[in-house]
Amino acid sequence: AQSVTQLDSQVPVFEEAPVELRCNYSSSVSVYLFWYVQYPNQGLQLLLKYLSGSTLVKGINGFEAEFNKSQTSFHLRKPSVHISDTAEYFCAVIGAGGTSYGKLTFGQGTILTVHP
Amino acid sequence: NAGVMQNPRHLVRRRGQEARLRCSPMKGHSHVYWYRQLPEEGLKFMVYLQKENIIDESGMPKERFSAEFPKEGPSILRIQQVVRGDSAAYFCASSPAGTAAIGELFFGEGSRLTVL
Repeated sequence: AQSVTQLDSQVPVFEEAPVELRCNYSSSVSVYLFWYVQYPNQGLQLLLKYLSGSTLVKGINGFEAEFNKSQTSFHLRKPSVHISDTAEYFCAVIGAGGTSYGKLTFGQGTILTVHP
Repeated sequence: NAGVMQNPRHLVRRRGQEARLRCSPMKGHSHVYWYRQLPEEGLKFMVYLQKENIIDESGMPKERFSAEFPKEGPSILRIQQVVRGDSAAYFCASSPAGTAAIGELFFGEGSRLTVL
């Protein structure tokens, strides 16, 4: 079984500032890692994913995340945020080797609020 | 180019009534997942279906909840004899078949159930 911990429930930041949303996971097997974003009253959208290869992955809207196996982390970063980035962000994992490819374990979410 | 369609978007039921939530996956997608989001929590996996088959229902409560994805028509999540604790947002997601789509879910906008 896997678990995900998002260390910050809310992150306020000013426009054009950098931001990091933290995510740690726990698993007895190798994992695949994901970040999803949820805008108000909408479903989740995939931002980026790590399956294998380079530990630095780039996603949509200028976001990137780095997989750190030794620290079991997958933190999400953006060098300069916009007002439109205000949303809730979810880190998620799935155990490698399974067959339910959409059976994700989600963290509790981090609400990013970008102030002008 | 319709995405994942869920209806109703909002549903109000009294305790003891039945709730039926519908989900039409994206065109070309044969895999459907249901997730539940309780207040202040992340999404929790409920069930994974393919046409006419339940593949993984490990996240479904043992009683009162059922899901189907018939050969024709939408997937349906059915909650019998609802209780206040069933109040939540229920999200449907779909994905195409294949390992290339691991973890890549396309979510609907959710059905928000309120039990009075």
